Amino acid sequence: DGGITQSPKYLFRKEGQNVTLSCEQNLNHDAMYWYRQDPGQGLRLIYYSQIVNDFQKGDIAEGYSVSREKKESFPLTVTSAQKNPTAFYLCASRDLAPYSGANVLTFGAGSRLTVL
Amino acid sequence: DAKTTQPPSMDCAEGRAANLPCNHSTISGNEYVYWYRQIHSQGPQYIIHGLKNNETNEMASLIITEDRKSSTLILPHATLRDTAVYYCIVRVAEGNNRLAFGKGNQVVVIP
Repeated sequence: DGGITQSPKYLFRKEGQNVTLSCEQNLNHDAMYWYRQDPGQGLRLIYYSQIVNDFQKGDIAEGYSVSREKKESFPLTVTSAQKNPTAFYLCASRDLAPYSGANVLTFGAGSRLTVL
Repeated sequence: DAKTTQPPSMDCAEGRAANLPCNHSTISGNEYVYWYRQIHSQGPQYIIHGLKNNETNEMASLIITEDRKSSTLILPHATLRDTAVYYCIVRVAEGNNRLAFGKGNQVVVIP
């Protein structure tokens, strides 16, 4: 089954600690994204990557870092500099080939981070 | 990107058709209308998209007005499992990676 796997599903961390959320896709998609969702809110873009070894900041990149060393993997690190990290984090991917589905995103199941 | 306006919430009766409205009065000629839904504590799921013609798939139908300034997502026979937040998004088909999701429409299917 093709899809996106996010882990862990639930994560607790103490203030001041960095934590890395995993996102792996076997869809052979070019682009990958990280979104943050707070209760009752929409999704806000953190980082995105269109190609291996390249990524761009989204709307709320401060306090986060990413890497894209492999096409199928796009891990997100929530650093201690992120002032309010408790949230639901969603990873998504998209095929950039022309006429491949017109901008359709495939999402993972999400990772819920709670800072104690 | 064109902005969309959806009601914040609505209730639908189980077994009846659910009609979810979306206004996008500033849509431009090359922008598509996309619908996604998010069941509680899960990732959003793509439903359907269209440019100007009405579209139908196994999940829903999308009706776009002739002037393209509004659209309606139709769930033909709503079930309890259709309870979710539904997002209407207007975007160009390719490029532009800043895909933004607003607060959406919280749809509750009532038995």
